[in-house]
Amino acid sequence: AQSVAQPEDQVNVAEGNPLTVKCTYSVSGNPYLFWYVQYPNRGLQFLLKYITGDNLVKGSYGFEAEFNKSQTSFHLKKPSALVSDSALYFCAVRDRSGNTGKLIFGQGTTLQVKP
Amino acid sequence: KAGVTQTPRYLIKTRGQQVTLSCSPISGHRSVSWYQQTPGQGLQFLFEYFSETQRNKGNFPGRFSGRQFSNSRSEMNVSTLELGDSALYLCASSLQVGQGGDTQYFGPGTRLTVL
Repeated sequence: AQSVAQPEDQVNVAEGNPLTVKCTYSVSGNPYLFWYVQYPNRGLQFLLKYITGDNLVKGSYGFEAEFNKSQTSFHLKKPSALVSDSALYFCAVRDRSGNTGKLIFGQGTTLQVKP
Repeated sequence: KAGVTQTPRYLIKTRGQQVTLSCSPISGHRSVSWYQQTPGQGLQFLFEYFSETQRNKGNFPGRFSGRQFSNSRSEMNVSTLELGDSALYLCASSLQVGQGGDTQYFGPGTRLTVL
């Protein structure tokens, strides 16, 4: 069965410091991987995705993620955190083999950036 | 381009009632997916529609149903509401169905409260 794990419920970081939000996945074959962000009382906003090619993916608002096949991980990173980055972050996976758009989400990680 | 819109944004119902939620996808998008978000279960896939056909269904009881119209707009219906149906219901649209890592774009959600 496919699954996504975000091992940290919350990540705290000081403004200006680098941030990492961790994600590991379990799926047969090579998946499509996504990161979304959710602000309070809002829907999910797409940040970036990995389809194929370069393992380092760059996305919106200065975020990037590194696909590591051997560790089955897709960690989200940003070199310098902003207070406005504080939100709930979701990692998601889609099975490449099925003709479906269904996303399987991790439980989410709350990012708290303090001034 | 306008984003995904969902109506209504908030709903309060009582147990045993039924409810219909509406979703209008991004112009040109033909696939619509629905997800349920709760604090306990996180984000769970409900169903997916493409060209007025249900392509995939999540593990939810038959009280949850949906449909898609010829203009790609979608509705989901929940009958005989239970307290546990209280959740944020999110609609997402994409160009096709999971092809080439197609990105799903989410609406703001409908917050359903069952009393």
